[in-house]
Amino acid sequence: EAQVTQNPRYLITVTGKKLTVTCSQNMNHEYMSWYRQDPGLGLRQIYYSMNVEVTDKGDVPEGYKVSRKEKRNFPLILESPSPNQTSLYFCASRGPREDTEAFFGQGTRLTVV
Amino acid sequence: GEDVEQSLFLSVREGDSSVINCTYTDSSSTYLYWYKQEPGAGLQLLTYIFSNMDMKQDQRLTVLLNKKDKHLSLRIADTQTGDSAIYFCAEISILTGGGNKLTFGTGTQLKVEL
Repeated sequence: EAQVTQNPRYLITVTGKKLTVTCSQNMNHEYMSWYRQDPGLGLRQIYYSMNVEVTDKGDVPEGYKVSRKEKRNFPLILESPSPNQTSLYFCASRGPREDTEAFFGQGTRLTVV
Repeated sequence: GEDVEQSLFLSVREGDSSVINCTYTDSSSTYLYWYKQEPGAGLQLLTYIFSNMDMKQDQRLTVLLNKKDKHLSLRIADTQTGDSAIYFCAEISILTGGGNKLTFGTGTQLKVEL
């Protein structure tokens, strides 16, 4: 079954404590992205990757890091989380063509206190 | 960057038609998409339209594209309670360095009332 798997689904953490949200896809997709979803702001792209070892900033990259060492994995790292990073996070993957479908994970609800 | 704009909320009665509107930013976008997000889930592709088309119909869904005004709409006929969800439009933009980028709108929360 085609899948994008994110972990954890829910996370409550304290300000400044480093955390990683994992994302894995089994479709051999080149493109992977991280988004955050906030009420009234829709889905904003944090970082994206067009292939292994190729990552680029999206629209709201501040406070986040990513890596793409393998094609299937694209972890999101918050080195020093702050309360304004409390949000719902989604990982997505798709092929490189313009007419391909993006597949989304189930989301990670992060609360930073 | 510029935003892909949608109205935040839409409420309709069951059986009526729903029309969700979107204004996108990139006039050279080749494909435009509608994604649906049900409560507690990620987004799923609903339908898409190629930029050289004005309209696409898929069962209860009709997509209209006005390239001149950069306006996209999604009409859902005979709206059902199961259609209650957040609907996102999205556009594909070609990147100057190669590749492409998918940008989502602000999302429209559709509420279907009995």
